[in-house]
Amino acid sequence: DAGVIQSPRHEVTEMGQEVTLRCKPISGHNSLFWYRQTMMRGLELLIYFNNNVPIDDSGMPEDRFSAKMPNASFSTLKIQPSEPRDSAVYFCASSPPSAVTEAFFGQGTRLTVV
Amino acid sequence: SQQGEEDPQALSIQEGENATMNCSYKTSINNLQWYRQNSGRGLVHLILIRSNEREKHSGRLRVTLDTSKKSSSLLITASRAADTASYFCATPASGGSYIPTFGRGTSLIVHP
Repeated sequence: DAGVIQSPRHEVTEMGQEVTLRCKPISGHNSLFWYRQTMMRGLELLIYFNNNVPIDDSGMPEDRFSAKMPNASFSTLKIQPSEPRDSAVYFCASSPPSAVTEAFFGQGTRLTVV
Repeated sequence: SQQGEEDPQALSIQEGENATMNCSYKTSINNLQWYRQNSGRGLVHLILIRSNEREKHSGRLRVTLDTSKKSSSLLITASRAADTASYFCATPASGGSYIPTFGRGTSLIVHP
């Protein structure tokens, strides 16, 4: 298996533009997580999906952020409009069905908003 | 919210020395995990310890868990330059379903 695949790896955009980050989880995994990593705040959970359904989105910073999981093999995280403070590395992770299991991370998308 | 916090924030040692990192958490947990992150990469799972376990080994890694003190430690023995990375503990988010939440990590530098 290729692991969790995220695209793009790097994104530079201007303030006010819409940004869409993409994630393909590992086949057979039913949990998907989006995290944001910054030096100031560390690794923050943004949203958690289980069986394609958003279960916990309490970490989503504000209405500018939205996430979808239309099927078991694809998820998006959208920021509209983007702001410089959104600059961070965004990680997607997935995990298989189990009460206690590890999370498998993608390589991340480094977002820079100028 | 972040439940686990690692200590120290940074650790610098010589190759061959042991490295010990600690994690403290706030609420009861049923498991705790340690992950490693190389610069510019995603996190990679190292080891999982359940609440009914006190110690676990994996190669040069030794993890302990003290649920009475709400703390865990990760020991890397005979460190190598390739162990240079950030190390994170992950605990379930408070309130139920397994959602791994992470601390800020310990940045380990192993000098050759």
